Amino acid sequence: AIQMTQSPSSLSASVGDRVTITCRASQSISDDLGWFQQLPGKAPKLLISSSSRLQTGVPSRFSGSGSGTDFTLTINGLQPDDFATYYCLQDYIFPHTFGQGTRLQIK
Amino acid sequence: EVQLLESGGGLVQPGGSLRLSCAASGFTFSSYAMSWVRQAPGKGLEWVSGITDSGVTSFYADSVKGRFTMSRDNSKNILYLQINSLRGDDTAIYFCAKGQHMGLGSTWGSWGQGTRVTVSS
Repeated sequence: AIQMTQSPSSLSASVGDRVTITCRASQSISDDLGWFQQLPGKAPKLLISSSSRLQTGVPSRFSGSGSGTDFTLTINGLQPDDFATYYCLQDYIFPHTFGQGTRLQIK
Repeated sequence: EVQLLESGGGLVQPGGSLRLSCAASGFTFSSYAMSWVRQAPGKGLEWVSGITDSGVTSFYADSVKGRFTMSRDNSKNILYLQINSLRGDDTAIYFCAKGQHMGLGSTWGSWGQGTRVTVSS
C-alpha cells in the first residue's frame, strides 16, 4: 500500500497567520490527493480534491498544490474556525491511504 | 441534499460479528462508489474499504482483509459492512462516504456522522 507521510503532526499558530502542511507519498500518485478538515466530534469534510481543486463553499484562503509525491495545503490568514485537524488522502490506487493528520492549534 | 446515515454499531465481545449499514438519500446511489473509513478513539482516519457503483468489486485495507466484507443493495440505497472476528483494535467510529464523482476514481466527497463500534469483554 502507498504510505502517506504528513507533517507536521501538530502546529500552533495565531489568527491571521499563514500555515503550510505537507504530505509525501511513498510513490507517485499523480495529482490524486485530497485534503480533509475534521473538527472535534465531527465527520471529515473535503476541502480540496485532485491536489488543488477547491471544493464549492470552501473559503479561498485554503489552497493546495503538488503532484507526483509531494503536496502542500496552505491556509492564508487563519480564522478561528480553521483550528482543526487536517488529513491528506491518496485516491490514486486502492487501498486508499490517509496521512497521520496535522492538529492545528491556537497559539 | 446528500444524506448518509450509519447504523448498527454497538458493544460487541472480541471474536464477535457486527453488520453496519449506511442508508443513503439525496443522490442516485447506484451511480457512485462508496467507502467506509474508521477512526479509533483519539487516533487518525483509516480508510477501510471501498466498493464500485455496481457492487461487483470491493477493495480493503490490509488490516481488515479477510474479516470485513463490504456490500450494497442498490434497490434499497443501503451500504453494508460485515465485520467478523472483531478485535480490540477494531474499536472505532465507522463513517460511510460517497464518491465525489460518478463511477470510480475520485475521492470521498460526502460523509455520514458515523456509528460507534466498541469491542470489549
